Amino acid sequence: EDKVVQSPLSLVVHEGDTVTLNCSYEVTNFRSLLWYKQEKKAPTFLFMLTSSGIEKKSGRLSSILDKKELFSILNITATQTGDSAVYLCAVRNFTSGTYKYIFGTGTRLKVLA
Amino acid sequence: DTEVTQTPKHLVMGMTNKKSLKCEQHMGHRAMYWYKQKAKKPPELMFVYSYEKLSINESVPSRFSPECPNSSLLNLHLHALQPEDSALYLCASSQLQGADNSPLHFGNGTRLTVT
Repeated sequence: EDKVVQSPLSLVVHEGDTVTLNCSYEVTNFRSLLWYKQEKKAPTFLFMLTSSGIEKKSGRLSSILDKKELFSILNITATQTGDSAVYLCAVRNFTSGTYKYIFGTGTRLKVLA
Repeated sequence: DTEVTQTPKHLVMGMTNKKSLKCEQHMGHRAMYWYKQKAKKPPELMFVYSYEKLSINESVPSRFSPECPNSSLLNLHLHALQPEDSALYLCASSQLQGADNSPLHFGNGTRLTVT
């Protein structure tokens, strides 16, 4: 059975701290791994990773994929209270003639002022 | 605001009611998805449509009936729901052709309460 596991499940840090969120997966017909941020409503897209070892960066956020060890990390440096959210990892695979996105359990991040 | 539009934003319905959730996208995406999300849980896939045909049904009870009238629209018809069906229902879309760099785009969801 396809599986995506995130750790930790929740995390409380202070502003300015650096955090690392983990995502491991066992999925057939892997195509890519995505990270999303979810506050009150819909998940918003952060990164899509297809190739191993290539870091994607956007401001204080960065992410990298290891396709040999089947995991990805999301780093957030100099955290701010606005980073408080649930961070979701999703793996996209190809099955039944279409793309399926399988979500992990999420990491709930709280950043204290 | 997202490029995937869902209506209504909120819906309260009784267990004997029939209602429909609607989703629209104009990004030319040919894959459309329904997800269900309970509080403090990740989105759970329900249905996938590819080129307006149902590709995946994740063993969803028949009281949920999806419909894809054309490439821009996706509906979810609800009938005889149970209180445990109360959740946030998310519609999403993505490309199919040349999809290697296409993420899943979500609507803002319909928050459904079944009384």
